[in-house]
Amino acid sequence: DSGVTQTPKHLITATGQRVTLRCSPRSGDLSVYWYQQSLDQGLQFLIQYYNGEERAKGNILERFSAQQFPDLHSELNLSSLELGDSALYFCASSVSEGLGEQFFGPGTRLTVL
Amino acid sequence: KNQVEQSPQSLIILEGKNCTLQCNYTVSPFSNLRWYKQDTGRGPVSLTIMTFSENTKSNGRYTATLDADTKQSSLHITASQLSDSASYICVVSASRGSTLGRLYFGRGTQLTVWP
Repeated sequence: DSGVTQTPKHLITATGQRVTLRCSPRSGDLSVYWYQQSLDQGLQFLIQYYNGEERAKGNILERFSAQQFPDLHSELNLSSLELGDSALYFCASSVSEGLGEQFFGPGTRLTVL
Repeated sequence: KNQVEQSPQSLIILEGKNCTLQCNYTVSPFSNLRWYKQDTGRGPVSLTIMTFSENTKSNGRYTATLDADTKQSSLHITASQLSDSASYICVVSASRGSTLGRLYFGRGTQLTVWP
């Protein structure tokens, strides 16, 4: 158990819908990272927040957005969902703003029908 | 172009045997290199992390090596167990001084250990 929690574990929805994925970092960690892992694809970095502020952006679509709240939990919002958005979404956390050790959560499996 | 290439793409070995996974990278400026183990459907778990000055690091039956000159790393697994069946991911970070760098992920090597 990494100490990072993600909810829900599974999510099934239809095209065009909007969903919110939630992540709670390890106690004491200030950075939260979001990743997407499609079937047979490697991990794709989406976005990083540090202490409530956006710090780095990767291959995140404009239909996707994220935020980190004062209690340091983070939410990833996915809108106008397409079939291709079906994937595992991982959250990771780390103590520092930089590229230190990251601890991954168990992931949320999103299925878009 | 910053890239991380892993080989082989997949590997099948018998329980108790050793194996070595390879990672070649072109990421610059190099900051550190990590190896993660990812069980199917679960989040990656860190095995080792190495900086420029380190060329070997062990974690139990896992030993990672780094040659910063040739930009190659390997992960050696000794006396494999069924539970070693997983995807092994090489991740290289690029640093730009005090500013946040980037992480570059390999596609992973899928290891299957047979009894």
